Amino acid sequence: EPEVTQTPSHQVTQMGQEVILRCVPISNHLYFYWYRQILGQKVEFLVSFYNNEISEKSEIFDDQFSVERPDGSNFTLKIRSTKLEDSAMYFCASSEISGRGYEQYFGPGTRLTVT
Amino acid sequence: AQSVAQPEDQVNVAEGNPLTVKCTYSVSGNPYLFWYVQYPNRGLQFLLKYITGDNLVKGSYGFEAEFNKSQTSFHLKKPSALVSDSALYFCAVRDCEVTGGGNKLTFGTGTQLKVEL
Repeated sequence: EPEVTQTPSHQVTQMGQEVILRCVPISNHLYFYWYRQILGQKVEFLVSFYNNEISEKSEIFDDQFSVERPDGSNFTLKIRSTKLEDSAMYFCASSEISGRGYEQYFGPGTRLTVT
Repeated sequence: AQSVAQPEDQVNVAEGNPLTVKCTYSVSGNPYLFWYVQYPNRGLQFLLKYITGDNLVKGSYGFEAEFNKSQTSFHLKKPSALVSDSALYFCAVRDCEVTGGGNKLTFGTGTQLKVEL
């Protein structure tokens, strides 16, 4: 069964450094998403991406965040200058075209630790 | 704005007994509703969804959920719980009346289900 994959599984970085989290969505999916889950808290939406542009973003997704689909398979989340409060589990998800009623399939997550 | 409430942080049930994990939602229009399960060190796994039609929807691993519009609820149920069902369960909602958006899901805080022998 096809699944969303994410790398790395765990990333440790120092405050102020840039990180790139990588995702490979399910191959025939066209909507892509990033969510995050701070330890012990709920899963929060960050951004959605369709047709090579951001279709929706939350207030969390400020100028230090960016997303990119650099090729036909990868979807990345970049944090330019990490802060301690960026420490969280970051989940990538994808869904089929016309995604309103379609379920989103999530990857296993990348645990980001900012020290 | 859309929101989800899961009133129970933890639900304990004996194996073989029925289980219910509660979820209520708030949207301005009509909802799309989802249940996901998270096992330790794993991502969110889709269980089932309500889009339209029958209020009782069936999903993976014997789970089902009942959509109740008047009570704005979408409780997850299973007739006979297994120890292997022990996990963290998330309810999520998408407001289908919101246009121009990117299909953002809003999640509840999660309910830890513990099934014991």
